[in-house]
Amino acid sequence: DSGVTQTPKHLITATGQRVTLRCSPRSGDLSVYWYQQSLDQGLQFLIQYYNGEERAKGNILERFSAQQFPDLHSELNLSSLELGDSALYFCASSPGLGLARYNEQFFGPGTRLTVL
Amino acid sequence: SQQGEEDPQALSIQEGENATMNCSYKTSINNLQWYRQNSGRGLVHLILIRSNEREKHSGRLRVTLDTSKKSSSLLITASRAADTASYFCATGSLFGNEKLTFGTGTRLTIIP
Repeated sequence: DSGVTQTPKHLITATGQRVTLRCSPRSGDLSVYWYQQSLDQGLQFLIQYYNGEERAKGNILERFSAQQFPDLHSELNLSSLELGDSALYFCASSPGLGLARYNEQFFGPGTRLTVL
Repeated sequence: SQQGEEDPQALSIQEGENATMNCSYKTSINNLQWYRQNSGRGLVHLILIRSNEREKHSGRLRVTLDTSKKSSSLLITASRAADTASYFCATGSLFGNEKLTFGTGTRLTIIP
């Protein structure tokens, strides 16, 4: 158990809908990262938040957005869903900046999103 | 885009044998990490090797790093059925690991 929790574990929805994925980082970690894992794209970095602020952005679609709240949990919002958005979405956390930015990331169990 | 390419894509060996996986990457890095993923589950961090290190051990794992060739290898000795999983290398930039870039992964199957 990495200490990172994600809800829900599974999500089935229809095209055009909007969903919210939730992540709670390890106790004390200030950075939260979101990744998407699909068969055709592999593991892709989406976005990072550090202590409530966006820190780094990857291949995140405009239909997707995220935020980190004062209690450090994070949510990833996916809207106007398409079939191709079906994937595993992982959240990871790490201590954050300074020398800690070179540390490993701890991954949650993931949310499997199926868009029908 | 994938920075790293793992080789081989799939590997099947008998229990007790050693397994070696290779990873190549493209840009300069501060460190390289290896992660394991059991089928459809979260990634588990295995080991991190810094760019000024050439070799690192952790239990049955041995990682090497050759920054001149931009490559790394992961050796699992005395493999067990529980080692069956996908293994990924991941790199951050010289400035930090904010954007980990993962390789394509090696699917390892240990035959009992």
